[in-house]
Amino acid sequence: SQQGEEDPQALSIQEGENATMNCSYKTSINNLQWYRQNSGRGLVHLILIRSNEREKHSGRLRVTLDTSKKSSSLLITASRAADTASYFCATDGDQGGSEKLVFGKGTKLTVNP
Amino acid sequence: EAQVTQNPRYLITVTGKKLTVTCSQNMNHEYMSWYRQDPGLGLRQIYYSMNVEVTDKGDVPEGYKVSRKEKRNFPLILESPSPNQTSLYFCASSLGTGGQETQYFGPGTRLLVL
Repeated sequence: SQQGEEDPQALSIQEGENATMNCSYKTSINNLQWYRQNSGRGLVHLILIRSNEREKHSGRLRVTLDTSKKSSSLLITASRAADTASYFCATDGDQGGSEKLVFGKGTKLTVNP
Repeated sequence: EAQVTQNPRYLITVTGKKLTVTCSQNMNHEYMSWYRQDPGLGLRQIYYSMNVEVTDKGDVPEGYKVSRKEKRNFPLILESPSPNQTSLYFCASSLGTGGQETQYFGPGTRLLVL
């Protein structure tokens, strides 16, 4: 079962601009994570935000979580060409526990120099 | 260096020929899992393991088997591969349960079944 859905599917911006990606999910969650994947490579963890948190920062990354709307957003500020990658949100399984991690289909971000 | 390793990285095989993709982690993680990634479908979980001898199905377990005899290893077995199992496979591990902890991913295994 697919839990998270990212939006947009693809995003192209210029270096220095901010990039915002959104993730919506269907059922209650305990945690939401964001991952990054460079083309064909393994995923790299960016941020984990728990259901009782509303916002988290890590360097140029800002993640928000709105459990009432069942949505999260990932903001990358002052983007760089090296930020070009696919970004995925992942949520706990939709069966109440945290044993399973369900990924969305991802947003492909291209940052043009 | 803390890492998750997978072997082989690339594999071409034929329908019906049993194969095993190995996964090993050196971080003493309890939780390990396998995912497949297909264009337009994102990552889908195949199987996961909470600890030694404890495994459970993910969202797409059909056609796959796993075992967890040792904490560090979590091999993925395709008893009779079919072309629809052509995919990019990732192994991942974490200290605690998947949804609560950072997942560390291997580099991926690209499988082509003819």
